[in-house]
Amino acid sequence: GQQVMQIPQYQHVQEGEDFTTYCNSSTTLSNIQWYKQRPGGHPVFLIQLVKSGEVKKQKRLTFQFGEAKKNSSLHITATQTTDVGTYFCAGRNFGNEKLTFGTGTRLTIIP
Amino acid sequence: DTAVSQTPKYLVTQMGNDKSIKCEQNLGHDTMYWYKQDSKKFLKIMFSYNNKELIINETVPNRFSPKSPDKAHLNLHINSLELGDSAVYFCASSIRGSGGAADTQYFGPGTRLTVL
Repeated sequence: GQQVMQIPQYQHVQEGEDFTTYCNSSTTLSNIQWYKQRPGGHPVFLIQLVKSGEVKKQKRLTFQFGEAKKNSSLHITATQTTDVGTYFCAGRNFGNEKLTFGTGTRLTIIP
Repeated sequence: DTAVSQTPKYLVTQMGNDKSIKCEQNLGHDTMYWYKQDSKKFLKIMFSYNNKELIINETVPNRFSPKSPDKAHLNLHINSLELGDSAVYFCASSIRGSGGAADTQYFGPGTRLTVL
């Protein structure tokens, strides 16, 4: 079945440093979504990427979808304490009803 | 005016008991889901309903039975609870479940189930 892996599993950064999480799918995806889950909270939708090679920005967050539509990345510039949480990618195969969530990257910020 | 709500928020029970978790969404969405998040934070889909019809049924023990009385509600009943059922259970909804922008998942606050 489809597998979606994220690396790293954990990341500790000093406040102000950059952070990147990578998402890799075992199959080609029709689209990919990113979610953020704050500690003790629930996943919240951030963005969806659909096109091969697509890049989208949200303030300090940059999302990228690979050319082959099998991988994606989320980059945060100059992290802040509010960025703490677990970041999930979620991919969907063509013609598949199911959204498969990645394994998540837990980001902690050292003030 | 909560979009996706779940009850209860916490559930502590003994092994072997039967329990239910309720979910309601007021977004007018057609599709609702149950996810299980274990202690390692892995988020796995369990079930999905579209307009009260079951469309996704992952490899989940028969002890778990979802029920959708209408498209705004999706409940989860668990029989003969086991220690391994301890997790956070999230309900979610989307406009529909077939991809595109309508696929965005709106999650409820979660129900933390602890089986002793």
